[in-house]
Amino acid sequence: GAGVSQSPRYKVAKRGQDVALRCDPISGHVSLFWYQQALGQGPEFLTYFQNEAQLDKSGLPSDRFFAERPEGSVSTLKIQRTQQEDSAVYLCASSLGGTGTHQPQHFGDGTRLSIL
Amino acid sequence: KQEVTQIPAALSVPEGENLVLNCSFTDSAIYNLQWFRQDPGKGLTSLLLIQSSQREQTSGRLNASLDKSSGRSTLYIAASQPGDSATYLCAVRRTGANNLFFGTGTRLTVIP
Repeated sequence: GAGVSQSPRYKVAKRGQDVALRCDPISGHVSLFWYQQALGQGPEFLTYFQNEAQLDKSGLPSDRFFAERPEGSVSTLKIQRTQQEDSAVYLCASSLGGTGTHQPQHFGDGTRLSIL
Repeated sequence: KQEVTQIPAALSVPEGENLVLNCSFTDSAIYNLQWFRQDPGKGLTSLLLIQSSQREQTSGRLNASLDKSSGRSTLYIAASQPGDSATYLCAVRRTGANNLFFGTGTRLTVIP
């Protein structure tokens, strides 16, 4: 596809369940980012991959959050034992270059996660 | 920590007006600055990226400026149209980092 694709678009889960969110970046893009966006706020950084290497996970709010990109393409963000405060839109972005390049980040439409 | 502020939070203008959106940031050690628009229920669309060594970038009716020393950027939209209605977000990438720090956005409404 031409853009960043995220699935599912909407996810409803009960508190305590595990969820997995998928991101298909633009083909050939080296960098992949996950952000969390609360209602009425700007996105906040969660984690960054360069190819398959997770170079920065400083934004992950707790050890319940885990992300992977095993083959340097598709990425999955997993949240274990979900809590109500995890309800947000989770955005994935990719960019062509890696560290040290001025490439814009391109975003998917996000997954809206609601924890009941 | 980098703080990014956007003023105003919301703006309504009649169609055809020129307008300016403001963005300020606290740490001037930035690598680049990017402006996005976000439509309701959608992701972010990249509009313009200004490198730290640049003063402005233009794309069609949009012009973005950057003043690193004062920690400010502006997005100028000429001859606004109803289709410009969206939330506009400013995001800063710090030197040595890869991720973006976002402001909370300005919600623009262009009235036909």
